Amino acid sequence: AQSVAQPEDQVNVAEGNPLTVKCTYSVSGNPYLFWYVQYPNRGLQFLLKYITGDNLVKGSYGFEAEFNKSQTSFHLKKPSALVSDSALYFCAVRVNQAGTALIFGKGTTLSVSS
Amino acid sequence: EAGVVQSPRYKIIEKKQPVAFWCNPISGHNTLYWYLQNLGQGPELLIRYENEEAVDDSQLPKDRFSAERLKGVDSTLKIQPAELGDSAVYLCASSLGDRDWNEQFFGPGTRLTVL
Repeated sequence: AQSVAQPEDQVNVAEGNPLTVKCTYSVSGNPYLFWYVQYPNRGLQFLLKYITGDNLVKGSYGFEAEFNKSQTSFHLKKPSALVSDSALYFCAVRVNQAGTALIFGKGTTLSVSS
Repeated sequence: EAGVVQSPRYKIIEKKQPVAFWCNPISGHNTLYWYLQNLGQGPELLIRYENEEAVDDSQLPKDRFSAERLKGVDSTLKIQPAELGDSAVYLCASSLGDRDWNEQFFGPGTRLTVL
């Protein structure tokens, strides 16, 4: 069975500092990995995805993520955090197999202080 | 380009009452999803449509939940009768085909409170 773990319920970082939001996954097969962000009272917004190829993926708003197959991880990173990055972040995985669903983690709340 | 539209945004009902949620996907997106998001959790798939066909409804509680997507565009999700445990946010999403690598675009959700 597919699963996604986001081990931190909350990540706190000061504005201007680098941030990392962790994600690990468990699948049988090749994974497609996604990061979404959710602002209050709004739907999830797509940030970036890994399909194949370069392990470092760049996405919206200066975010990037690194796919690590040996550690089954897909951590979200940003070199310099902004207060406006404060939101709820979800990691999601889907297996490269027809008919499978997108499985989401529980989410990590990122709080960036000024 | 307009995003995924959902209505209503908020709904408060008494238990045992029926309720319906409406979704209009992004134009041209033939795949539509309904998700359930409980507080403090990630979204969980309820049903997925390819055009007007429900191709994955394995997680839909069919004793009380139903959905339809007539003409392969708008969709309606219904609960009858609602229970206290149905209080959650119901999200609609769409994508351009159901390729495994296609990102999904989400609506703002309908927050349901069952009293």
